[in-house]
Amino acid sequence: ETGVTQTPRHLVMGMTNKKSLKCEQHLGHNAMYWYKQSAKKPLELMFVYSLEERVENNSVPSRFSPECPNSSHLFLHLHTLQPEDSALYLCASSQGGPQETQYFGPGTRLLVL
Amino acid sequence: RKEVEQDPGPFNVPEGATVAFNCTYSNSASQSFFWYRQDCRKEPKLLMSVYSSGNEDGRFTAQLNRASQYISLLIRDSKLSDSATYLCVVPRNDYKLSFGAGTTVTVRA
Repeated sequence: ETGVTQTPRHLVMGMTNKKSLKCEQHLGHNAMYWYKQSAKKPLELMFVYSLEERVENNSVPSRFSPECPNSSHLFLHLHTLQPEDSALYLCASSQGGPQETQYFGPGTRLLVL
Repeated sequence: RKEVEQDPGPFNVPEGATVAFNCTYSNSASQSFFWYRQDCRKEPKLLMSVYSSGNEDGRFTAQLNRASQYISLLIRDSKLSDSATYLCVVPRNDYKLSFGAGTTVTVRA
């Protein structure tokens, strides 16, 4: 299935590095999401974009910076991360808001050293 | 009280058995609910949506109890392939939603 793709699939970075995660959806949806999934914890919603505008920022530290240049692409820019930021970062899209079915990408597994 | 709570399990059941578990939610205004399935090291995928009293899809039945604020998922005639973590998802308003921590089900031969 290639409805929602994410790159890279795995990323190892130092605390001083800058990297970006990319998400692309091929479903014609108008909302996109970033989630963080840590071991043994529920998914945490980080950011929501609807029609390319950020509509929700769930108290995420500024070292995470999202960008949505168009309705099909979503980025998460990372800088000066901490080891506790190591997690699986999932992108999702939906047609409409969270009341609708979300389709997830395979995720980027991030390790911060 | 957490917004969404699930029994983490694990529920270990033999093939062919029936297994059921609940998800409780705190926001009485929630109108829609979802069950997602997540396999180990994979992304969540929608299993079932619930907008009214319940939904049924083959061996899977979801029931909503608004008075007690819980959603249940029942799996009949369990298959080995049903082994996964089942996530309960409750949208809160237009752009917020809460995930439960998941219920792990292991079906053994």
